This record gives sequence, structure tokens and C-alpha cells, in this order.
Amino acid sequence: KAGVTQTPRYLIKTRGQQVTLSCSPISGHRSVSWYQQTPGQGLQFLFEYFSETQRNKGNFPGRFSGRQFSNSRSEMNVSTLELGDSALYLCASSTFSGGGNTIYFGEGSWLTVV
Amino acid sequence: GENVEQHPSTLSVQEGDSAVIKCTYSDSASNYFPWYKQELGKRPQLIIDIRSNVGEKKDQRIAVTLNKTAKHFSLHITETQPEDSAVYFCAAIFGNEKLTFGTGTRLTIIP
Repeated sequence: KAGVTQTPRYLIKTRGQQVTLSCSPISGHRSVSWYQQTPGQGLQFLFEYFSETQRNKGNFPGRFSGRQFSNSRSEMNVSTLELGDSALYLCASSTFSGGGNTIYFGEGSWLTVV
Repeated sequence: GENVEQHPSTLSVQEGDSAVIKCTYSDSASNYFPWYKQELGKRPQLIIDIRSNVGEKKDQRIAVTLNKTAKHFSLHITETQPEDSAVYFCAAIFGNEKLTFGTGTRLTIIP
């Protein structure tokens, strides 16, 4: 079974631009979560989607948004990029939402904002 | 608020010795506690997890203990090997079913 796939793996953007990251969950998984990883802040929860609905949202500004499609694939978007948005963005999938279901991470998308 | 504290932030252990990483959580209703290992440049991978209905779980050289009264849980690695060098994250599920991670422990095994 293929793992969680994230694209692109690496990208460089300029301040003020926007970016869209994509995540394909493990086949059969319907929940997708997004995390931001930085050296100083560890793994910060962005949001979770299940059956195309946002179930949970972390403490990030409205510039961070996401969506999930009917095939469970998910995208996240960051608008008006800031230097502080440089980070590794990790997507994770699980069979169901919540309840202590094991989540499996993708390799991540490395975003550098210059 | 939802909080998971993890200690220590860095840990160096002689090869063959044991390593212990501790985490405390804020929500007494938390019932699921996974541990992830992240090697340099790679994805975090689940190595062991424990649910609130048990106090200890073991998988070969790795064990996790849970003290619900004190709201803390620990990862124990015995007979450490160089390949155990990585960053380890603990996590806990909170009432809104959001998985919150600790800040990570960088474990270095000294040959």
C-alpha cells in the first residue's frame, strides 16, 4: 500500500506570494491532518479534514486554509506569505477522524520564503 | 489549555545504556498517547502508542508507561543502538480529538 504522498517536496516563494501544497492520503484513509514543523516550535497542528469537512483547526491566522476533495486528497493554501512561514509542512492521514486513530505522515513539503 | 510538555530537549546516551524521555499532559480526559521517531530529513514515524486503559506497553527494546493520576507518560529505550539516534515526539489526544505534540527530544547515541 502506498504511503502518504505530498507534492511538491521543495519550493521557494517570495514574500507576499501564495502557495498550494497537495497531499494524497493512504488508500482508504478518509482523515487528513496538516502540521507545520519548525525548529523552534516543533509540530504545530494546522487543521484536520474528514469527508470533505474541516473538523478541527489550530491557532493559525486565516492566511492558512485547506480543503479536502471527494477522493480524500487534500490541499492547503497559504496566502500573502511571510518569512516566518518558512517551514516543513507535514500531511498525515488516518482511517477515521479522532478517537486515537493512528496517523501516518508524509515526507513533507519544504517551503522557503525569501 | 491543551498542552504537552516534553523533557529533556536533548539527551546523549552511551551505546548499550537506556534512555528515558518524559511527557506530561494537561487534559485528564486524554486517552491516547503515541510516540513518533523522526530521523534527520525524514517523516515522523509511529514507534509505539498506549491507550488510557493500560499502564504499560512493550515492544522489543521500546516501552511506554502511563501514569494517569499524575498525567505523565514516558518512553523507555533499552540497549540503545546508533540507529536509535533521532528526534522523538510524544503526543496526546485532547477533548476535541486534536493530536497535540510535545516539542521533541533529540536523542544522540554515543558509540
